[in-house]
Amino acid sequence: AQKVTQAQTEISVVEKEDVTLDCVYETRDTTYYLFWYKQPPSGELVFLIRRNSFDEQNEISGRYSWNFQKSTSSFNFTITASQVVDSAVYFCALSEGDTGTASKLTFGTGTRLQVTL
Amino acid sequence: DAGVIQSPRHEVTEMGQEVTLRCKPISGHDYLFWYRQTMMRGLELLIYFNNNVPIDDSGMPEDRFSAKMPNASFSTLKIQPSEPRDSAVYFCASSFSVGVTDTQYFGPGTRLTVL
Repeated sequence: AQKVTQAQTEISVVEKEDVTLDCVYETRDTTYYLFWYKQPPSGELVFLIRRNSFDEQNEISGRYSWNFQKSTSSFNFTITASQVVDSAVYFCALSEGDTGTASKLTFGTGTRLQVTL
Repeated sequence: DAGVIQSPRHEVTEMGQEVTLRCKPISGHDYLFWYRQTMMRGLELLIYFNNNVPIDDSGMPEDRFSAKMPNASFSTLKIQPSEPRDSAVYFCASSFSVGVTDTQYFGPGTRLTVL
């Protein structure tokens, strides 16, 4: 069975600090997809990134970057120069299956990030 | 383009009443998912459809819950009779399976309170 672990329940940082959110996953499949979603205080779930198991290149999008390491089954998310607007709960998720079919998302328990002035 | 639309955004009802939650997926998406979010259980998948056909309903908690998708642009999740433990945020999500774009996009959720 697949599993996603986000060991950090809550993180507090001061604005402009860098912060890394950890995500460790378990799966028996060789083909799978990893996701990060953001849930701001307003409650909606916002898609941030999707990464497939064959692409271990790190990705950077503005202040956001993701580090995917199959050797440690980790898909960590770093926010550089954090801002108050980054305050949210961040979820890591895993889906198994081939391209062209949708499959269940297994979510981690989320990490609540609080960015203060 | 419009995202996933859910209604109502908030629902307060009394125990024993029937509750119907509604979802309109993103146009052209062929998969639709219903999730429930609670503090105790986190985000859990209830049921999902492909081309309007239920594929996996193993997450539906019990017979009081039912879901339908009569056409490609509308789905309902019904709880009858509702119980206080059904209080949660219910999310609908949709995705497009062709090619590599099977990312699930979520609606704003319906916050259900059963008194």
